[in-house]
Amino acid sequence: AQKITQTQPGMFVQEKEAVTLDCTYDTSDPSYGLFWYKQPSSGEMIFLIYQGSYDQQNATEGRYSLNFQKARKSANLVISASQLGDSAMYFCAMRGLHNAGNMLTFGGGTRLMVKP
Amino acid sequence: GAVVSQHPSWVICKSGTSVKIECRSLDFQATTMFWYRQFPKQSLMLMATSNEGSKATYEQGVEKDKFLINHASLTLSTLTVTSAHPEDSSFYICSARDGRTEAFFGQGTRLTVV
Repeated sequence: AQKITQTQPGMFVQEKEAVTLDCTYDTSDPSYGLFWYKQPSSGEMIFLIYQGSYDQQNATEGRYSLNFQKARKSANLVISASQLGDSAMYFCAMRGLHNAGNMLTFGGGTRLMVKP
Repeated sequence: GAVVSQHPSWVICKSGTSVKIECRSLDFQATTMFWYRQFPKQSLMLMATSNEGSKATYEQGVEKDKFLINHASLTLSTLTVTSAHPEDSSFYICSARDGRTEAFFGQGTRLTVV
């Protein structure tokens, strides 16, 4: 069984500042992947960043970086230089990597609001 | 690449009628497709997983006779909400995977049953 926990239902950040969105997980799979998706008000799910459980380095994609601490089972998303367009729901998700058909398990989400 | 198109983006139907939602992978072959349901201000809940050419695997609590899923080809899966009722009103979103790590999502369908 897999579980994803996002403890921050809502977050405010000032434009141009950095923000960290928390995510902790629990799984019995020895290898797994961690994902972050952005969901704007229009509803589509936009893939942001991926971290494999055996990756040695933290993933980065432009202004997004993933602070992966395996021992603590956390995979926090860091957004640098926040922009107004970053206001959205953010979901942390994970998937076991043994079975190619394994589905994503999502956390409850964090609503990020960027203030001008 | 990796575009998933979901249609329609929104639909209003009368109670008792059926609604079909299509999910297409436009530039890759989706060996697996997933259907999720999302209530307002909540997370995505997996309804079912479908592999091309085989029956869908439904999550516990999801009525397979009410939510018919067909994955007839590597680029198309459909979700049919049969005999829809107001409580079926929700946001439905599909995702598709090939051999890559991440899943790609459609734009979602907002269903309102009146």
